[in-house]
Amino acid sequence: SYVLTQSPSVSVAPGETATIPCGGNNVGSKSVHWYQQKPGQAPVLVIYYDNNRPSGIPERFSGSNSGNTATLTITRVEAGDEADYYCQVWDSVSDHAVFGGGTRLAVL
Amino acid sequence: EVQLVQSGAEIRESGESLKISCKASGYIFTAYWIGWVRQMPGKGLEWMGIIWPSDSETTYSPSFQGQVTISADKSTNTAFLEWRSLKSSDTAIYYCARRESSGWPHNWFDPWGQGTLVTV
Repeated sequence: SYVLTQSPSVSVAPGETATIPCGGNNVGSKSVHWYQQKPGQAPVLVIYYDNNRPSGIPERFSGSNSGNTATLTITRVEAGDEADYYCQVWDSVSDHAVFGGGTRLAVL
Repeated sequence: EVQLVQSGAEIRESGESLKISCKASGYIFTAYWIGWVRQMPGKGLEWMGIIWPSDSETTYSPSFQGQVTISADKSTNTAFLEWRSLKSSDTAIYYCARRESSGWPHNWFDPWGQGTLVTV
């Protein structure tokens, strides 16, 4: 089955840019979606179909997807961005959703 | 406003049965797939399965096939996740989420329910 690989943690200072990678075999041929999960809360969609922001999500959040890596980028990071971030694709072979293991973003 | 509201936290003994719910509002219930996702304590998100409420067609992750049953009631706009015999390893938060799509296989989940904590 298809596998998405994420680094366990990323640290960034306030005001800096955070990049959160999501690796998968030829993931660039798939659409990648990103979720933010703050402690004690349900996941929230922040990027869909590689680089689209749902209404209400700040422009500081953006995504890209090419080759074997998709990336979530958060510019001008704020303390409130501290959360776990998950990437997700739909595996067309199994017709199942696949989530990455999640990356914890720490704002120093 | 599109909303998914899940039933409250549950505590059960091993071997007991349980059915938790996810009530949808703000959209046509039968027009969207609804999925279920498990999150074990301190762990990541695991996709369990999905249902098309219009005809109750379901697809399960192999990891959960035969372990749970996903169902839906069109008359009440509610999806369900059910266990016949719980195990301690079923202790987790369970989320329902509406599947959005821009054409298969470009599918994602939005919005999500608030989650139901199941403790066995």
